[in-house]
Amino acid sequence: DAKTTQPTSMDCAEGRAANLPCNHSTISGNEYVYWYRQIHSQGPQYIIHGLKNNETNEMASLIITEDRKSSTLILPHATLRDTAVYYCIVRSPKYSGGGADGLTFGKGTHLIIQP
Amino acid sequence: SQTIHQWPATLVQPVGSPLSLECTVEGTSNPNLYWYRQAAGRGLQLLFYSVGIGQISSEVPQNLSASRPQDRQFILSSKKLLLSDSGFYLCAWTPAGTGAMYETQYFGPGTRLLVL
Repeated sequence: DAKTTQPTSMDCAEGRAANLPCNHSTISGNEYVYWYRQIHSQGPQYIIHGLKNNETNEMASLIITEDRKSSTLILPHATLRDTAVYYCIVRSPKYSGGGADGLTFGKGTHLIIQP
Repeated sequence: SQTIHQWPATLVQPVGSPLSLECTVEGTSNPNLYWYRQAAGRGLQLLFYSVGIGQISSEVPQNLSASRPQDRQFILSSKKLLLSDSGFYLCAWTPAGTGAMYETQYFGPGTRLLVL
């Protein structure tokens, strides 16, 4: 899986959009970008994933640059409950064969939503 | 909808005592199941994964073991706990199948274990 680089921490005002960047310059053609978050003392939570097109769901939007070397997770209207560590993970899906492997979480970005 | 349960939520055990943590998944069949450990201030470490009943793969050598006696039940055990076994234990599942959507892992609430 390709390596990712994220800022250590970010602040955002409540009600504003939180934009979390991720660099993945060595991403290969079949690797997807996944985002998870971990709120303090809880298990990680899946947010969104994408390959090359921008994606949106009820939680967030994912913007992937045309060269796919970076992406941005957008929380459109951040609330205090969005304070968490956000992880950007790049991995290729298993299209054949059995087996499974675990996720490799880096240090992530600690997003702090300010009231 | 699918849900994943873990218990107990917290556990304090003496060194040398046995351990049994349980994870169950509802609302899906034949999931892939995972056990992770997160030490304080550290990332997640994959301990075991399972693609079916009785099928367990170990990622790291340790004094822990895992079992999958039923399709949606995953158990983490130890005969004798060490101080270094303290941490936050997380169970996760993915749907059976191949492709990007089947790579999404859904985590349980976790068990916080303190070995004294």
